[in-house]
Amino acid sequence: AQSVTQLGSHVSVSEGALVLLRCNYSSSVPPYLFWYVQYPNQGLQLLLKYTTGATLVKGINGFEAEFKKSETSFHLTKPSAHMSDAAEYFCAATSGTYKYIFGTGTRLKVLA
Amino acid sequence: NAGVTQTPKFRVLKTGQSMTLLCAQDMNHEYMYWYRQDPGMGLRLIHYSVGEGTTAKGEVPDGYNVSRLKKQNFLLGLESAAPSQTSVYFCASSYSDRGTQYFGPGTRLTVL
Repeated sequence: AQSVTQLGSHVSVSEGALVLLRCNYSSSVPPYLFWYVQYPNQGLQLLLKYTTGATLVKGINGFEAEFKKSETSFHLTKPSAHMSDAAEYFCAATSGTYKYIFGTGTRLKVLA
Repeated sequence: NAGVTQTPKFRVLKTGQSMTLLCAQDMNHEYMYWYRQDPGMGLRLIHYSVGEGTTAKGEVPDGYNVSRLKKQNFLLGLESAAPSQTSVYFCASSYSDRGTQYFGPGTRLTVL
């Protein structure tokens, strides 16, 4: 069965510091992988996605993620955190069965 | 281009009452989804649709019904609301079965 695990329900970083949000997946077939961001009282917005090809994926707002098949991981990074990055981040996976599996989310707090 | 819209934005029900949540998308997407979001549990799929006139059960379908009479609309019904259905409900749509999901702003439902 497919599953998505996000390590750390809350992550705090200082403004300007590296952001690293972890996501691991389990799937019997290579999945498509996504990172979404949710700002307070809003719906989810796509940050980036991996389908096939290049394993380093760049998204909006300076975020990127690397698909590592051997580690079944798709961690999200940003070199320098900004106050506006404070939000909840969700990793998701699908293997094309119309069903997307979402992780439980990581709330990012950026400290001034 | 409004994307995905949901009505209402907020609703308070008493136990046993019924209501319908409306989701509309103007992107001509075939696939539509209803999720519920609860603290610490991420997004869980309630029902989904792969085209007009078709619906299927997701991970947590009990207590909910859906209809997709028009391609652009996906309705979620609660026949007899229970306090356990207090949640934030999100609708999403996608062009393909592995495509980016576009989310509505959510409906915050409280069942007393």
